[in-house]
Amino acid sequence: GAGVSQSPSNKVTEKGKDVELRCDPISGHTALYWYRQRLGQGLEFLIYFQGNSAPDKSGLPSDRFSAERTGESVSTLTIQRTQQEDSAVYLCASSLISNSGNTIYFGEGSWLTVV
Amino acid sequence: QKEVEQDPGPLSVPEGAIVSLNCTYSNSAFQYFMWYRQYSRKGPELLMYTYSSGNKEDGRFTAQVDKSSKYISLFIRDSQPSDSATYLCAMSSISSGSARQLTFGSGTQLTVLP
Repeated sequence: GAGVSQSPSNKVTEKGKDVELRCDPISGHTALYWYRQRLGQGLEFLIYFQGNSAPDKSGLPSDRFSAERTGESVSTLTIQRTQQEDSAVYLCASSLISNSGNTIYFGEGSWLTVV
Repeated sequence: QKEVEQDPGPLSVPEGAIVSLNCTYSNSAFQYFMWYRQYSRKGPELLMYTYSSGNKEDGRFTAQVDKSSKYISLFIRDSQPSDSATYLCAMSSISSGSARQLTFGSGTQLTVLP
């Protein structure tokens, strides 16, 4: 596709349920990032994939959070046993190569509400 | 103390005004500075990228960096209602390497009134 595509765009879930968020990066982009943005706050790094290298999971807030990516394609962020503090927008981004931000492209986000 | 501080606003200005958005930071290792614009319910998009102290101009936008004061600014001249968005500053300490190294401010919400 032309840009980074994320689904679902909105998700309301009950506390304790698991959710899966999907990201389809720009074709050919080897690097993929997940960020969390809570209301009124900046972007919080979660996880980074680069090609076939081991992902950088250092930003994942707890073991309830996990993410997978197959090759250089789609990624899925999974949140198990959701809590109300997980309510946020989850942004995916991709870039051609690792860089400091010049060519990082964001999707429109998946807005998660845990009730 | 956060590494990057940004006044969340909201900031409301009349059309045509000059807007000044600012961030301060505490990590002297930060060398690269970016401004992102985020429209409501959209992902951030890169506006400006600067490295050295001084000014960088792009159309109505000017990014200013003062490393000695650990202070960066984004100026918007002749502001338009279409500039209404949240502006996020971001910075990193390396030029190559993953964008995982980016540290974001919390964003300033700007409204330009027609």
